[in-house]
Amino acid sequence: DQQVKQNSPSLSVQEGRISILNCDYTNSMFDYFLWYKKYPAEGPTFLISISSIKDKNEDGRFTVFLNKSAKHLSLHIVPSQPGDSAVYFCAASGSYGQNFVFGPGTRLSVLP
Amino acid sequence: EAGVVQSPRYKIIEKKQPVAFWCNPISGHNTLYWYRQNLGQGPELLIRYENEEAVDDSQLPKDRFSAERLKGVDSTLKIQPAELGDSAVYLCASSLGQGAPGANVLTFGAGSRLTVL
Repeated sequence: DQQVKQNSPSLSVQEGRISILNCDYTNSMFDYFLWYKKYPAEGPTFLISISSIKDKNEDGRFTVFLNKSAKHLSLHIVPSQPGDSAVYFCAASGSYGQNFVFGPGTRLSVLP
Repeated sequence: EAGVVQSPRYKIIEKKQPVAFWCNPISGHNTLYWYRQNLGQGPELLIRYENEEAVDDSQLPKDRFSAERLKGVDSTLKIQPAELGDSAVYLCASSLGQGAPGANVLTFGAGSRLTVL
């Protein structure tokens, strides 16, 4: 039973446009969320986080939105760049700093 | 500052052979994680250490997998004997630990890709 779902295995976006990656979770105890980016043959790299006391967090071109009632979060990348092409993972934790459950990932392709 | 260091990067073995992976976390990071990532899936937790104590090993297949973190610094994950289904990328991650600012961000190593033939 997947507790963290990323229902789109892949997404293609034109350079300069917005990329929206979605993540849904089932466990209402999750209250802290991370997004990671992964290039081939490298480990996942931390992008941005959000805790349940917020509904939005921004860092440069990256914004994460959290809808607790819907158990849904999304990562917006604006504007998208070819270097953003990677696999993006959503991760959720029930307690600050403890075990994270990862989604299966979404492969983003940004086309020049 | 050096990141999380893992070795070997790649390992090919025949089934029933043993294999070991090593991880050196970021200096000062008290929490160490071993994750396994199968092709097309997200990382799945195998074991989490707080200093030298394994505080969550519920997902570690203990009949063939073992791990240790002596002195609370580097760690070794061992598989003996390996099975075909163990082919995966084994990721090590570390974090500062609970209560510290930024404690809840995991820094990953590059991973060790295991192929069992």
